[in-house]
Amino acid sequence: GQSLEQPSEVTAVEGAIVQINCTYQTSGFYGLSWYQQHDGGAPTFLSYNGLDGLEETGRFSSFLSRSDSYGYLLLQELQMKDSASYFCAVRALTHSGGYQKVTFGTGTKLQVIP
Amino acid sequence: NAGVTQTPKFQVLKTGQSMTLQCAQDMNHEYMSWYRQDPGMGLRLIHYSVGAGITDQGEVPNGYNVSRSTTEDFPLRLLSAAPSQTSVYFCASTDGTSEYQETQYFGPGTRLLVL
Repeated sequence: GQSLEQPSEVTAVEGAIVQINCTYQTSGFYGLSWYQQHDGGAPTFLSYNGLDGLEETGRFSSFLSRSDSYGYLLLQELQMKDSASYFCAVRALTHSGGYQKVTFGTGTKLQVIP
Repeated sequence: NAGVTQTPKFQVLKTGQSMTLQCAQDMNHEYMSWYRQDPGMGLRLIHYSVGAGITDQGEVPNGYNVSRSTTEDFPLRLLSAAPSQTSVYFCASTDGTSEYQETQYFGPGTRLLVL
């Protein structure tokens, strides 16, 4: 099967930088995604890493190391509105092969404080 | 372009009742999924589809059925509702299965309470 681990909670100060780590165990790995979810809302896509290295989108960056089965989401210049839950998700081939499915981690609740 | 739509937004069922959660997307995506999210938890995959006529089970498929007769629609059926199925249900569609690019779009969710 597949498993993902990420910290359950992180607190950071407005204007600072925070890194949320994600380690995974899976076979047939394709890529790692990150999603943001505010309380009561739907998840929204932030980034996807299919290759090793850093992907940057504005204040958010995501990193993947396939050899270490590890990735992280980096949030810079934190704002109060960044307070939300952040989920990593692995895309991998199923045991039956041919199809890909996505497995989510349990999420990291980020609290940004003044 | 409405993206991914889900109906109803809220539903209360009695144990043993059946119902269908509707999901539709207008982005011509082949890949669609159903997830459930319990309080303080991540999303767990129920069923997914890689195109019309093709579905497969996710992590927690028991008690749910799906079918995919068109690209646009992917309904989720609860056969005989149980209190353990109280959850928030999200439908999602994906714009591609390239190894190098993927974006998954979520609907607003259906909040289901089974008494």
